[in-house]
Amino acid sequence: EVQLVESGGGLVQPGGSLRLSCAASAFTFSSYAMSWVRQAPGKGLEWVSGISDSGGRTYYADSVKGRFTISRDNSKNTLHLQMNSLRAEDTAIYYCAKVTTYRSDYWGQGTLVTVSS
Amino acid sequence: DIQMTQSPSSLSASVGDRVTITCRASQSISTYLNWYQQKPGKAPKLLIYSASSLQSGVPSRFSGSGSGTDFTLTISSLQREDFATYYCQQSYSTLVYTFGQGTKLEIK
Repeated sequence: EVQLVESGGGLVQPGGSLRLSCAASAFTFSSYAMSWVRQAPGKGLEWVSGISDSGGRTYYADSVKGRFTISRDNSKNTLHLQMNSLRAEDTAIYYCAKVTTYRSDYWGQGTLVTVSS
Repeated sequence: DIQMTQSPSSLSASVGDRVTITCRASQSISTYLNWYQQKPGKAPKLLIYSASSLQSGVPSRFSGSGSGTDFTLTISSLQREDFATYYCQQSYSTLVYTFGQGTKLEIK
């Protein structure tokens, strides 16, 4: 069964950095685009970033452009999100999701990022 | 960026009711429209993709329709387990898959 397991969340001070990871299993990771989606407490879903299957193309929401970097290691079946210059408004649960033909068909359980002093 | 607007933001209904949720895109997105269900404390679950295709394992009481800018999600006969928040998502823009603001479906 497809599994996506996020890690790396935690408490960080404003202006700090954090690196999230998403370990994928039970599918050919290198054949699929991936994305990060976040959800602030009590709020809706916000698409954050996407990356092509090879990693050659990356996309970002305006709210994180220039601060976040998505990457992947296809040899290790792992997706990453490097988050720099973190702000209070980045506080959210961060989900990784597998992208299959224009839809996100599998999601991880999420990892909580809290930005606070 | 393409903006997605759902209505209503919240909805009260009873078991057995027929419910419709609407999603409008700020520009034409053909049928690049997905619907997700999210329950408290859980990850979103894909229900409908390409506007009207039912994801494997999803009950047939869920259906989707529309194209261009206007889309609907219909639940033909609400079951207790359907009370949740529903989100539409456009996938027209390459890997920039924005969501609507969500519709919370509550028990009347």
